[in-house]
Amino acid sequence: DIQMTQSPSTLSASVGDRVTITCRASHSISTWLAWYQQKPGKAPDLLIYDASSLQTGVPSRLSGSGSGTEFTLTISSLQPDDFATYYCQQYNSYPYTFGPGTKLEIK
Amino acid sequence: QEQLVQSGAEVKKPGASVKISCKTSGNTFINYYIHWVRQAPGQGLEWMGVINPTGGSISDAQKFQGRVTMTRDTSTSTVYMELSSLRSEDTAVYHCARGGTTRGRYFDLWGRGTLVTVSS
Repeated sequence: DIQMTQSPSTLSASVGDRVTITCRASHSISTWLAWYQQKPGKAPDLLIYDASSLQTGVPSRLSGSGSGTEFTLTISSLQPDDFATYYCQQYNSYPYTFGPGTKLEIK
Repeated sequence: QEQLVQSGAEVKKPGASVKISCKTSGNTFINYYIHWVRQAPGQGLEWMGVINPTGGSISDAQKFQGRVTMTRDTSTSTVYMELSSLRSEDTAVYHCARGGTTRGRYFDLWGRGTLVTVSS
């Protein structure tokens, strides 16, 4: 199985900050990586797919990059709606696996 | 607007089974892979398995093998996931999620989730 890790596990930041979350895969997954945002009590929402493609309706302040085993999600200027938990997921091979999540908190 | 509509919360005793439904639109049912993902309280997301549009090929995570059954009802465009031999560690919110029209795609549509509580 492909193991996914994320760092940091928790990130404290302020509105307007630029933040980056890192996701690493235990084996190369090319660009078969997605990022999701989840708020308490809600289902995850797709943000980024194929490592860097922005899902329709997602603000352009979010961006993704990377390939192989290392990936990043960047939010260029945090807005109040961005405080949530973020998960990466590989869909290169079954079983699909998620990172443990990064909780983005208000400083 | 496309939706995945899941069945309501369940409370089950250890050793019992639970069957959760996920009603899709006709287009989703015919063309898309449907995955199941669960989330234990306060924990992360865990992929459980997938059923393909024809229902003929199913893949599930090793840890659930033998306990998970995924099926489809063509007459109602509904996908089902049954988990057997429940234990307390299976207490979680279970989501269905739409993958792509081929293997190896991300999840662009999620159901709201079904809370399953396993307690004696």
